[in-house]
Order: sequence, then structure tokens, then C-alpha cells
Amino acid sequence: AQSVTQPDIHITVSEGASLELRCNYSYGATPYLFWYVQSPGQGLQLLLKYFSGDTLVQGIKGFEAEFKRSQSSFNLRKPSVHWSDAAEYFCAVGARQAGTALIFGKGTTLSVSS
Amino acid sequence: GAGVSQSPSNKVTEKGKDVELRCDPISGHTALYWYRQSLGQGLEFLIYFQGNSAPDKSGLPSDRFSAERTGGSVSTLTIQRTQQEDSAVYLCASSVRVGEQYFGPGTRLTVT
Repeated sequence: AQSVTQPDIHITVSEGASLELRCNYSYGATPYLFWYVQSPGQGLQLLLKYFSGDTLVQGIKGFEAEFKRSQSSFNLRKPSVHWSDAAEYFCAVGARQAGTALIFGKGTTLSVSS
Repeated sequence: GAGVSQSPSNKVTEKGKDVELRCDPISGHTALYWYRQSLGQGLEFLIYFQGNSAPDKSGLPSDRFSAERTGGSVSTLTIQRTQQEDSAVYLCASSVRVGEQYFGPGTRLTVT
């Protein structure tokens, strides 16, 4: 079955510290991969995406993610977290064809302590 | 340009009533998706529209749920005889190319 697992429900990081959010997926073929961020009361904003090519992708707000095919992972990283990064983060996968819905993980809530 | 808009932003309704949720996609986006975000459940796909093709309704949880898209643009999600378990945030997304979906702010539905 196709699925996305985000093992960490809640993470707290000190401001200025580095961050890594984990994402593993189960899919029949290499999918498109995404990270979205959702601030309270807001919709989902696309942080970054992987389609093909370089397995290290850069996104907005200083985030990056690395696709590791052998581990079926797409972990999100940021070298130095800011208080404004506190939000919920969703990893998602989608098929490489039109008309397929994204499959989301259940999300990781990031809290930033001062 | 303008993003995906949804209305209302919040809706409180009594159990058994019907509700309509509206989505206005980004202009020119041919694909439109509805998702439901429930506490502890993450995001679940509900329905997908692509141009004038028949919609993919495979994610609709029951026949109380229906959706239409008029003129290939605005979409309305209708829930009939609402139940408390329908309480959730309903998110709409639109897309113009494979793999990229842009989400609206959602409608928070509370069924009392």
C-alpha cells in the first residue's frame, strides 16, 4: 500500500539550532516528493519538491531536503531554525502522472524554544 | 497573482443540516482537488476534477458527500445531513501541471 510516514509527531528545537524532520514513503515507483508547511489557521504552503535530478533540493525559507532512494526517505533539514519556523510540516508523495492526489504523512509539529 | 480562495473560512452547523463549501482555484489551473484534514488523521483525498473530464470521486467517504465544478473553475463541495464526524478542515488545491498543487486556506467545519 502507498503510504507516507513521519515518525515524529512533535519536535522541539532551540532557536538557532539545526533541524531534521524525517519522512519515509512506501510507493510502487519513485514518486514526486514534497514538503509542505502549515501555520495555524493557514493552508498548506509548498516548501520544496523533488521531481528528478540532484537528490538534494533547495526550497524556500532556507529549507532543503535530500532524497535517498535506497532508504525511501526524503528528510527535511534547516541549518538554523528561527522562531517563525514553528508550524506543522507535512511530507507528501504523488505519482508521476496527471490527476493523482497527493498522499500525505500525518505531519510533524515543530516548536521552537528561545 | 491571486491564490486559491475558499469560503466560508469557518462554518458551524447543526447535525443533520446540509452545507456547501466553495473553492475558487487559481486562474488557468485545470485541475482541482478537495482534501479533508481531520485531527489526528492527516489529509485525506476526497475528489479530483480535471478540465471537462468526469471527476475522480474515489476518496468521497459516503454518498452524503458530493462536489461539482462549474465552467471548469469554481467548485462546490456539498455535505448532506452532516454528522459530527464530518467536522474537519476542508482544503481545496489547484494545479496546472503534474506534481504541483497549490492549496487554499481551508474551511473549518464544525458540526454540533
